[in-house]
Amino acid sequence: GQNIDQPTEMTATEGAIVQINCTYQTSGFNGLFWYQQHAGEAPTFLSYNVLDGLEEKGRFSSFLSRSKGYSYLLLKELQMKDSASYLCAVRDRDYKLSFGAGTTVTVRA
Amino acid sequence: NAGVTQTPKFQVLKTGQSMTLQCAQDMNHEYMSWYRQDPGMGLRLIHYSVGAGITDQGEVPNGYNVSRSTTEDFPLRLLSAAPSQTSVYFCASSSGTEHQPQHFGDGTRLSIL
Repeated sequence: GQNIDQPTEMTATEGAIVQINCTYQTSGFNGLFWYQQHAGEAPTFLSYNVLDGLEEKGRFSSFLSRSKGYSYLLLKELQMKDSASYLCAVRDRDYKLSFGAGTTVTVRA
Repeated sequence: NAGVTQTPKFQVLKTGQSMTLQCAQDMNHEYMSWYRQDPGMGLRLIHYSVGAGITDQGEVPNGYNVSRSTTEDFPLRLLSAAPSQTSVYFCASSSGTEHQPQHFGDGTRLSIL
């Protein structure tokens, strides 16, 4: 199984940068995903890491360290529409996804 | 593009009633799964399927049945609804290719009275 931990809430100002950390313990690692979920909506895919290092996609970047069981999602140039829950998910060798409880990010003007 | 379609979007049941939550995808994805989402607990895997005719249990399978007779459809059955099954249910699918993410349906909001 997987134990996945991420902070419950974060608040930041419009235009700022926020980093959401995720730590995990896994019996078999086969990739880490970050999803965004707005209130009342379905999760949508943001990023994927399977090798160590940084993956950049526009204003969003994700980092992985497999040896430390650690990932972070970096949101740059925050916009009001980035207010949402961000879910860290770890996939095991059977392609099953286990999710963290999610981090609610509130962007203030 | 339809993607993953879930029906119904909302449902209220009485304790002991049965019902089926429908999930269909039109992307020819092999891998499908059902999750429930409860406040403060994140998404938990109920059942999953790696292809037609193959299903397996996830983290919280009790009280739920699934079948996968076709690649497109993956219904979730509640045989005797209980208040503890009040939740938001999401169906997801993926191709199974390593870097491909799961695509989620819009969810079914289920209340058991």
